[in-house]
Amino acid sequence: EDKVVQSPLSLVVHEGDTVTLNCSYEVTNFRSLLWYKQEKKAPTFLFMLTSSGIEKKSGRLSSILDKKELFSILNITATQTGDSAIYLCAVESNAGNMLTFGGGTRLMVKP
Amino acid sequence: DVKVTQSSRYLVKRTGEKVFLECVQDMDHENMFWYRQDPGLGLRLIYFSYDVKMKEKGDIPEGYSVSREKKERFSLILESASTNQTSMYLCASSFGSYQPQHFGDGTRLSIL
Repeated sequence: EDKVVQSPLSLVVHEGDTVTLNCSYEVTNFRSLLWYKQEKKAPTFLFMLTSSGIEKKSGRLSSILDKKELFSILNITATQTGDSAIYLCAVESNAGNMLTFGGGTRLMVKP
Repeated sequence: DVKVTQSSRYLVKRTGEKVFLECVQDMDHENMFWYRQDPGLGLRLIYFSYDVKMKEKGDIPEGYSVSREKKERFSLILESASTNQTSMYLCASSFGSYQPQHFGDGTRLSIL
């Protein structure tokens, strides 16, 4: 059975801090790993990492994939209150476009 | 921008009722999905569909069914609602493998 574990469960930081969110996985026939941000509504897509793209960066957010050790991290530098959200990690295996999600990390950024 | 629209943001129903949750996407996506999201359990896949009139069970299909009569629309049906089906329901769609799924805003369903 595919498994995705995120840590920490929750995190409270102050504006300007740097945070690192973790995602480890055990899946058969890995295809890709995705990060989503969920505020009050729909999860919004952040990054997709595959064997051919193991590092992604967008503004203050960046992510890397370690296929050997089976984990990924999401880094957020110079955090802002607008970064407060649940961050979801999901893995796509070879069984079509199905995703297995981790439990999420709840990030709160205080002013 | 991809738009996935779920028919209701909040819904309250009674035990035993038949409940329909509707989802429409406007990007001609092949794949559509229904998840439920519960605290501590994350998102769990209920059903998915790769094509019109096609459906596959996900991880927790018991008590649910789905319908996909048109490519853009994917319906989730609770045949006889029970209190343990109180949850946030999320619909998603995608073009296919190696493509991200895009989510609707969710329906928070309460079964009394």
